[in-house]
Amino acid sequence: GAGVSQSPSNKVTEKGKDVELRCDPISGHTALYWYRQSLGQGLEFLIYFQGNSAPDKSGLPSDRFSAERTGGSVSTLTIQRTQQEDSAVYLCASSLQGLTDTQYFGPGTRLTVL
Amino acid sequence: GQQLNQSPQSMFIQEGEDVSMNCTSSSIFNTWLWYKQDPGEGPVLLIALYKAGELTSNGRLTAQFGITRKDSFLNISASIPSDVGIYFCAGQKSGTSYGKLTFGQGTILTVHP
Repeated sequence: GAGVSQSPSNKVTEKGKDVELRCDPISGHTALYWYRQSLGQGLEFLIYFQGNSAPDKSGLPSDRFSAERTGGSVSTLTIQRTQQEDSAVYLCASSLQGLTDTQYFGPGTRLTVL
Repeated sequence: GQQLNQSPQSMFIQEGEDVSMNCTSSSIFNTWLWYKQDPGEGPVLLIALYKAGELTSNGRLTAQFGITRKDSFLNISASIPSDVGIYFCAGQKSGTSYGKLTFGQGTILTVHP
Protein backbone atom coordinates (compact mmCIF):
# COMPACT_ATOMS: atom_id res chain seq x y z
CA GLY A 1 0.00 0.00 0.00
CA ALA A 2 0.97 3.64 -0.24
CA GLY A 3 3.31 5.03 2.36
CA VAL A 4 3.44 8.46 3.91
CA SER A 5 3.71 11.14 1.25
CA GLN A 6 4.84 14.73 1.62
CA SER A 7 4.75 17.72 -0.64
CA PRO A 8 6.54 19.59 -1.92
CA SER A 9 9.75 17.58 -1.87
CA ASN A 10 11.78 20.80 -2.02
CA LYS A 11 10.84 24.35 -1.18
CA VAL A 12 13.01 27.42 -1.57
CA THR A 13 11.64 30.62 -0.10
CA GLU A 14 12.77 34.08 0.85
CA LYS A 15 13.22 35.17 4.42
CA GLY A 16 10.01 36.57 5.81
CA LYS A 17 7.65 34.60 3.59
CA ASP A 18 5.16 32.04 4.88
CA VAL A 19 5.34 28.37 3.79
CA GLU A 20 2.98 25.44 4.01
CA LEU A 21 4.17 21.83 4.03
CA ARG A 22 1.75 18.98 3.47
CA CYS A 23 1.66 15.42 4.79
CA ASP A 24 -0.59 12.58 3.68
CA PRO A 25 -0.38 9.77 6.26
CA ILE A 26 -0.90 6.10 5.60
CA SER A 27 -4.60 5.38 5.22
CA GLY A 28 -6.12 4.26 8.51
CA HIS A 29 -3.33 5.62 10.68
CA THR A 30 -4.77 7.72 13.47
CA ALA A 31 -1.53 9.23 14.75
CA LEU A 32 0.57 11.78 12.87
CA TYR A 33 3.90 13.37 13.82
CA TRP A 34 6.05 16.19 12.48
CA TYR A 35 9.81 16.23 12.99
CA ARG A 36 12.57 18.59 11.86
CA GLN A 37 15.99 17.41 10.76
CA SER A 38 18.69 20.03 10.54
CA LEU A 39 21.89 19.37 8.59
CA GLY A 40 23.97 16.70 10.32
CA GLN A 41 21.53 16.37 13.19
CA GLY A 42 19.03 13.86 14.40
CA LEU A 43 15.32 14.40 14.18
CA GLU A 44 13.68 16.92 16.48
CA PHE A 45 10.06 16.36 17.50
CA LEU A 46 7.69 19.22 16.62
CA ILE A 47 4.05 18.18 17.05
CA TYR A 48 1.88 15.07 17.44
CA PHE A 49 -1.77 14.48 16.50
CA GLN A 50 -3.79 11.53 17.80
CA GLY A 51 -7.38 11.14 16.65
CA ASN A 52 -9.59 13.93 17.95
CA SER A 53 -7.41 14.70 20.95
CA ALA A 54 -5.74 18.05 21.39
CA PRO A 55 -2.34 17.92 19.64
CA ASP A 56 0.90 17.76 21.60
CA LYS A 57 2.61 20.98 20.48
CA SER A 58 5.43 20.80 22.97
CA GLY A 59 8.15 20.61 20.31
CA LEU A 60 7.20 23.66 18.24
CA PRO A 61 10.21 26.02 18.43
CA SER A 62 8.27 29.29 18.25
CA ASP A 63 4.81 30.73 17.65
CA ARG A 64 5.71 31.13 13.98
CA PHE A 65 5.16 27.38 13.68
CA SER A 66 1.69 25.85 13.59
CA ALA A 67 0.09 22.70 12.28
CA GLU A 68 -3.36 21.41 11.68
CA ARG A 69 -4.86 18.11 10.71
CA THR A 70 -8.11 18.19 8.81
CA GLY A 71 -10.58 15.35 8.95
CA GLY A 72 -8.16 13.20 10.87
CA SER A 73 -6.05 12.63 7.79
CA VAL A 74 -4.00 15.22 5.89
CA SER A 75 -1.85 17.57 7.91
CA THR A 76 -0.32 20.95 7.05
CA LEU A 77 2.66 22.46 8.84
CA THR A 78 2.80 26.23 8.45
CA ILE A 79 5.84 28.38 9.13
CA GLN A 80 5.16 32.10 9.17
CA ARG A 81 7.76 34.80 8.52
CA THR A 82 10.43 32.22 7.76
CA GLN A 83 13.97 32.73 9.03
CA GLN A 84 17.21 31.24 7.71
CA GLU A 85 17.48 29.01 10.76
CA ASP A 86 14.22 27.34 9.68
CA SER A 87 16.11 25.70 6.80
CA ALA A 88 15.91 21.96 7.38
CA VAL A 89 14.21 18.79 6.22
CA TYR A 90 10.71 18.50 7.68
CA LEU A 91 9.64 14.90 8.12
CA CYS A 92 6.17 13.57 8.74
CA ALA A 93 5.39 10.17 10.23
CA SER A 94 2.21 8.25 10.96
CA SER A 95 1.36 5.27 13.11
CA LEU A 96 -1.65 3.03 13.39
CA GLN A 97 -2.87 3.87 16.86
CA GLY A 98 -0.55 6.17 18.70
CA LEU A 99 2.41 6.47 20.90
CA THR A 100 3.67 2.91 21.07
CA ASP A 101 3.06 1.87 17.48
CA THR A 102 5.72 1.89 14.80
CA GLN A 103 6.09 5.28 13.14
CA TYR A 104 6.43 5.22 9.35
CA PHE A 105 8.18 8.23 7.88
CA GLY A 106 7.62 10.12 4.67
CA PRO A 107 10.50 11.27 2.45
CA GLY A 108 10.48 14.77 3.90
CA THR A 109 10.32 18.30 2.54
CA ARG A 110 13.65 20.09 2.22
CA LEU A 111 13.08 23.74 3.10
CA THR A 112 15.67 26.34 2.18
CA VAL A 113 15.19 29.90 3.38
CA LEU A 114 17.36 32.41 1.52
CA GLY B 1 15.41 19.74 22.91
CA GLN B 2 16.86 16.63 24.47
CA GLN B 3 18.89 14.37 22.23
CA LEU B 4 20.48 11.04 22.78
CA ASN B 5 24.27 10.76 22.62
CA GLN B 6 25.07 8.51 19.69
CA SER B 7 28.55 7.35 18.72
CA PRO B 8 30.51 7.18 16.63
CA GLN B 9 29.45 10.10 14.43
CA SER B 10 30.82 8.37 11.36
CA MET B 11 32.47 5.12 10.33
CA PHE B 12 34.46 4.12 7.27
CA ILE B 13 34.79 0.37 6.94
CA GLN B 14 35.62 -2.32 4.42
CA GLU B 15 32.96 -4.64 3.07
CA GLY B 16 32.74 -7.72 5.26
CA GLU B 17 33.70 -6.00 8.49
CA ASP B 18 31.44 -5.86 11.52
CA VAL B 19 30.10 -2.54 12.79
CA SER B 20 29.04 -1.43 16.24
CA MET B 21 27.37 1.81 17.32
CA ASN B 22 25.74 2.85 20.55
CA CYS B 23 23.46 5.36 22.16
CA THR B 24 23.33 6.67 25.71
CA SER B 25 20.95 8.90 27.60
CA SER B 26 20.78 10.58 30.98
CA SER B 27 17.15 9.55 31.33
CA ILE B 28 15.26 6.28 31.12
CA PHE B 29 13.40 5.18 28.02
CA ASN B 30 10.84 2.38 27.82
CA THR B 31 11.46 1.61 24.18
CA TRP B 32 14.61 1.84 22.10
CA LEU B 33 14.47 1.94 18.32
CA TRP B 34 17.06 1.85 15.56
CA TYR B 35 16.36 3.49 12.20
CA LYS B 36 18.27 3.72 8.93
CA GLN B 37 17.98 6.71 6.62
CA ASP B 38 19.02 6.65 2.96
CA PRO B 39 19.68 9.94 1.12
CA GLY B 40 16.50 11.81 0.25
CA GLU B 41 14.30 9.46 2.20
CA GLY B 42 12.75 9.25 5.62
CA PRO B 43 14.09 6.91 8.30
CA VAL B 44 13.06 3.27 8.15
CA LEU B 45 12.68 1.19 11.31
CA LEU B 46 15.25 -1.61 11.62
CA ILE B 47 14.78 -2.97 15.12
CA ALA B 48 12.54 -2.18 18.10
CA LEU B 49 13.41 -3.10 21.69
CA TYR B 50 10.76 -3.06 24.41
CA LYS B 51 12.35 -4.68 27.45
CA ALA B 52 15.47 -3.94 29.47
CA GLY B 53 18.17 -6.50 28.68
CA GLU B 54 16.43 -7.58 25.48
CA LEU B 55 18.66 -8.73 22.65
CA THR B 56 16.98 -8.78 19.24
CA SER B 57 18.25 -9.76 15.80
CA ASN B 58 17.03 -8.89 12.33
CA GLY B 59 19.18 -10.66 9.77
CA ARG B 60 22.70 -9.32 10.10
CA LEU B 61 21.58 -6.72 12.62
CA THR B 62 21.60 -7.24 16.37
CA ALA B 63 20.51 -4.68 18.93
CA GLN B 64 20.33 -4.66 22.71
CA PHE B 65 18.30 -2.67 25.21
CA GLY B 66 20.59 -1.79 28.13
CA ILE B 67 19.77 -3.06 31.61
CA THR B 68 19.68 0.48 33.00
CA ARG B 69 17.26 1.49 30.21
CA LYS B 70 19.58 4.39 29.46
CA ASP B 71 21.51 2.87 26.57
CA SER B 72 21.35 0.65 23.52
CA PHE B 73 23.72 -0.67 20.90
CA LEU B 74 23.41 -1.85 17.31
CA ASN B 75 25.74 -4.31 15.63
CA ILE B 76 25.90 -5.04 11.91
CA SER B 77 27.79 -8.15 10.93
CA ALA B 78 29.53 -8.81 7.62
CA SER B 79 28.74 -5.37 6.19
CA ILE B 80 27.80 -4.97 2.53
CA PRO B 81 27.75 -1.85 0.32
CA SER B 82 23.98 -1.38 0.70
CA ASP B 83 24.45 -0.89 4.45
CA VAL B 84 25.64 2.62 3.62
CA GLY B 85 23.45 5.28 5.18
CA ILE B 86 22.75 7.13 8.39
CA TYR B 87 21.74 5.09 11.42
CA PHE B 88 19.72 6.70 14.18
CA CYS B 89 18.83 5.49 17.61
CA ALA B 90 15.59 6.73 19.13
CA GLY B 91 14.09 6.45 22.57
CA GLN B 92 10.47 6.50 23.50
CA LYS B 93 8.87 7.00 26.90
CA SER B 94 5.50 5.62 27.86
CA GLY B 95 2.45 7.49 29.04
CA THR B 96 0.35 10.23 27.54
CA SER B 97 2.34 12.91 25.75
CA TYR B 98 5.59 11.02 26.22
CA GLY B 99 5.36 8.73 23.19
CA LYS B 100 7.21 11.07 20.90
CA LEU B 101 10.60 9.86 19.77
CA THR B 102 13.86 11.40 20.93
CA PHE B 103 16.61 10.82 18.39
CA GLY B 104 20.38 10.52 18.50
CA GLN B 105 22.52 12.62 16.17
CA GLY B 106 23.09 9.70 13.82
CA THR B 107 26.02 7.54 12.70
CA ILE B 108 27.07 7.94 9.08
CA LEU B 109 28.22 4.57 7.75
CA THR B 110 30.39 4.26 4.65
CA VAL B 111 31.26 0.81 3.34
CA HIS B 112 34.10 0.44 0.85
CA PRO B 113 33.77 -2.50 -1.53
